[in-house]
Amino acid sequence: AQTVTQSQPEMSVQEAETVTLSCTYDTSESDYYLFWYKQPPSRQMILVIRQEAYKQQNATENRFSVNFQKAAKSFSLKISDSQLGDAAMYFCAYRSANRDDKIIFGKGTRLHILP
Amino acid sequence: AAGVIQSPRHLIKEKRETATLKCYPIPRHDTVYWYQQGPGQDPQFLISFYEKMQSDKGSIPDRFSAQQFSDYHSELNMSSLELGDSALYFCASSPPALNQETQYFGPGTRLLVL
Repeated sequence: AQTVTQSQPEMSVQEAETVTLSCTYDTSESDYYLFWYKQPPSRQMILVIRQEAYKQQNATENRFSVNFQKAAKSFSLKISDSQLGDAAMYFCAYRSANRDDKIIFGKGTRLHILP
Repeated sequence: AAGVIQSPRHLIKEKRETATLKCYPIPRHDTVYWYQQGPGQDPQFLISFYEKMQSDKGSIPDRFSAQQFSDYHSELNMSSLELGDSALYFCASSPPALNQETQYFGPGTRLLVL
């Protein structure tokens, strides 16, 4: 069975600085998708970024980028120029490439932004 | 852009009562997923439907049932509610073709069982 591990329950970063959230996963599949979801205090689940496993190029979305290391099964999220609105719980997530498959979430990392 | 709609947004029930949660997917999305997020927990998959047929089942109690209707909306029926059912219930939908691997989450229904 696939698993997703986030080893940092909480992290803090100074506003305008850069922070990296770690995530590792375990799977025997060769084709899959990885995601980072953000859950602010409102508890809405917001998709931050998505990575296809078959793509070697790391995904980027404005200030958010990932470092995808397929062989190491590592998928970290880098947030540049951190803003107060980035404060939230961040979930790393895995989904098989099979149609209609469920998302498996990590336990989450709570990110605090220090003004 | 239209998003996933869930109703009600908040629900308070007594133990042993019944609750029905509704989910309206993004237009033209044909797959619906239900997740349960307990306090301080990560979301856990309950059940999913594709084209009105159940496609996958997770850790959903036998007291819960769900279905997807002809207009693609879905309902999660929860009976004999227990205190431990208090959680945030998310519905997510995904499109039929391009980006079908991405699930778009609704705002959730907060269920409190007293």
